[in-house]
Amino acid sequence: NAGVTQTPKFQVLKTGQSMTLQCAQDMNHNSMYWYRQDPGMGLRLIYYSASEGTTDKGEVPNGYNVSRLNKREFSLRLESAAPSQTSVYFCASSYPGDGKANYGYTFGSGTRLTVV
Amino acid sequence: GENVEQHPSTLSVQEGDSAVIKCTYSDSASNYFPWYKQELGKRPQLIIDIRSNVGEKKDQRIAVTLNKTAKHFSLHITETQPEDSAVYFCAASPGGYQKVTFGIGTKLQVIP
Repeated sequence: NAGVTQTPKFQVLKTGQSMTLQCAQDMNHNSMYWYRQDPGMGLRLIYYSASEGTTDKGEVPNGYNVSRLNKREFSLRLESAAPSQTSVYFCASSYPGDGKANYGYTFGSGTRLTVV
Repeated sequence: GENVEQHPSTLSVQEGDSAVIKCTYSDSASNYFPWYKQELGKRPQLIIDIRSNVGEKKDQRIAVTLNKTAKHFSLHITETQPEDSAVYFCAASPGGYQKVTFGIGTKLQVIP
């Protein structure tokens, strides 16, 4: 049981390059999320998927796109990277929907992205 | 949308003392309040949570209290140890499929 797996762990991009961050969970969770973490800014929600087949914008969606590929996988794409997107990105999942009201997030280990 | 304010932003305590972190929220629909601990270079991890039908919850040296009327909730850590040093995030959510809104975090330093 791996929990939430994120790849890659580190990435350096040049301005204007594109990349996709991958996230997969094996806990049968319905909801998945992408956050970015910057010093002094806490955890800010980029996009989320409440359930398979749905995606919604969070607090800071500009410059990003997402795909909920299936129940397990939720990817984040940067189409044209900018230095302002230098950050640590966390994927998270929650809510097995089993009636036990367990809403706690399980986070992946994070991706440290630098855009130069 | 929900707004969660957290304070203090930094907190230093002597080993063995207690630490208290306070949060307020704005959306009266929120009924789920988790707390996460993030050690340096690691992922945030859920340490305790409370739902609106409960006023207090304890887990060993950690306790959380909730005042729904005032829209306040707090994390209390007793008998602090050096391994408690980390950033702590409070959060609020309506629960279920709804997203969680995080506070800005409190960096706790426990001085041996």
